[in-house]
Amino acid sequence: DSGVTQTPKHLITATGQRVTLRCSPRSGDLSVYWYQQSLDQGLQFLIQYYNGEERAKGNILERFSAQQFPDLHSELNLSSLELGDSALYFCASSTGTLSSYNEQFFGPGTRLTVL
Amino acid sequence: DQQVKQNSPSLSVQEGRISILNCDYTNSMFDYFLWYKKYPAEGPTFLISISSIKDKNEDGRFTVFLNKSAKHLSLHIVPSQPGDSAVYFCAASSTVRGGSNYKLTFGKGTLLTVNP
Repeated sequence: DSGVTQTPKHLITATGQRVTLRCSPRSGDLSVYWYQQSLDQGLQFLIQYYNGEERAKGNILERFSAQQFPDLHSELNLSSLELGDSALYFCASSTGTLSSYNEQFFGPGTRLTVL
Repeated sequence: DQQVKQNSPSLSVQEGRISILNCDYTNSMFDYFLWYKKYPAEGPTFLISISSIKDKNEDGRFTVFLNKSAKHLSLHIVPSQPGDSAVYFCAASSTVRGGSNYKLTFGKGTLLTVNP
């Protein structure tokens, strides 16, 4: 158990809909990362938050947005869903200290299926 | 453009023997490298990492070797055990000075099967 929790575990929805994925980082971790794993792709970085502020953006679609709240949990919002958005979405957290690299610890993921 | 490549989609070894998983990268800015293990229906689990200032890091049965000139790293598992059967991901990061932007760029993974 990495200490990172994600809800829900599975999500089935229809095209055009909007969903929210939730992540609670490990206790004390300030950085939260979101990754997408599609069938034919590896893990793709989407976005990072550090202590409530957006820190880095990857190949995140404009239909997707995220935020990190004062209690450090994060939500990933996916809207106008398309079939191609079906994937595993992982959240990871790290301590985020500036002095050195910190390993990222991953949650169990949310499997999104868009029908 | 795949900046981190794992050219072997799968690898099968006998229990007790050595498993060698390989990874190549193209981005010279990468200076920190990690290996993650992933079981089905679970998130990736951190295994071992190496900074670009080193060429080897060892942790129990796991050793990672880094060859910067060749932009190549490998993970050695000795001895291999059936419980090691999983997908192994190589990941790389570029530590940006002055920030905590440590996003990971992943390879597509290698499925390791350790046969009893």
